[in-house]
Amino acid sequence: QVQLVQSGAEVEKPGASVKVSCKASGYTFTSYGISWVRRAPGQGLEWMGWISGYNGNTHYAQTLQGRVTMTTDTSTSTAYMELRSLRSDDTAVYYCARNLGSGHLDYWGQGTLVTVPS
Amino acid sequence: QTVVTQEPSFSVSPGGTVTLTCGLSSGSVSTSYYPSWYQQTPGQAPRTLIYSTTTRSSGVPDRFSGSILGNKAALTITGAQAEDESDYYCVLYMGSGIWVFGGGTKLTVL
Repeated sequence: QVQLVQSGAEVEKPGASVKVSCKASGYTFTSYGISWVRRAPGQGLEWMGWISGYNGNTHYAQTLQGRVTMTTDTSTSTAYMELRSLRSDDTAVYYCARNLGSGHLDYWGQGTLVTVPS
Repeated sequence: QTVVTQEPSFSVSPGGTVTLTCGLSSGSVSTSYYPSWYQQTPGQAPRTLIYSTTTRSSGVPDRFSGSILGNKAALTITGAQAEDESDYYCVLYMGSGIWVFGGGTKLTVL
């Protein structure tokens, strides 16, 4: 069955970087993209970006341009999301999801809590 | 910058019908925005209910339906149940590979 398993919770200092992994199983990784979504405490969902599992093409939210990088390792069927220059308002649960296109995210990771103390 | 708008909160009686909407601060939502709807309950990952305006995701009860109503996308729950109490988010495709979520609607069933 399809599974997306994310890395564990992280606590990072302001200005540091964090890299969250999302290991996929149960399907052909290169056939679908991965989207990243986060939810900060007391806030709504925020679309962060998308990466193709086929060729690594990416699209990032304008608000995160320059601070976020999404990559994949097809040999391990793993997607990564790195966020740099962390601020306290980056504290959130970060989710990866398999993207079938047209807004259809059918399987989700369990979420990774990233905490950036103020 | 265009903002995606949703009602902050809504309430519905058990068995009742409720329609949540998803609009734009400037302009009208059409099928070209591929409006999609997600449900998130506390402590859980989001779940896709509807994608591409009207298509129900696998396993989603048919009491959930999507449409375009006037200049907005809409999610209708017909025969609301207690377990539908949740946060609901719409997301719209803005072009160039970019999607934007609305602020979400907190639905209370009481």
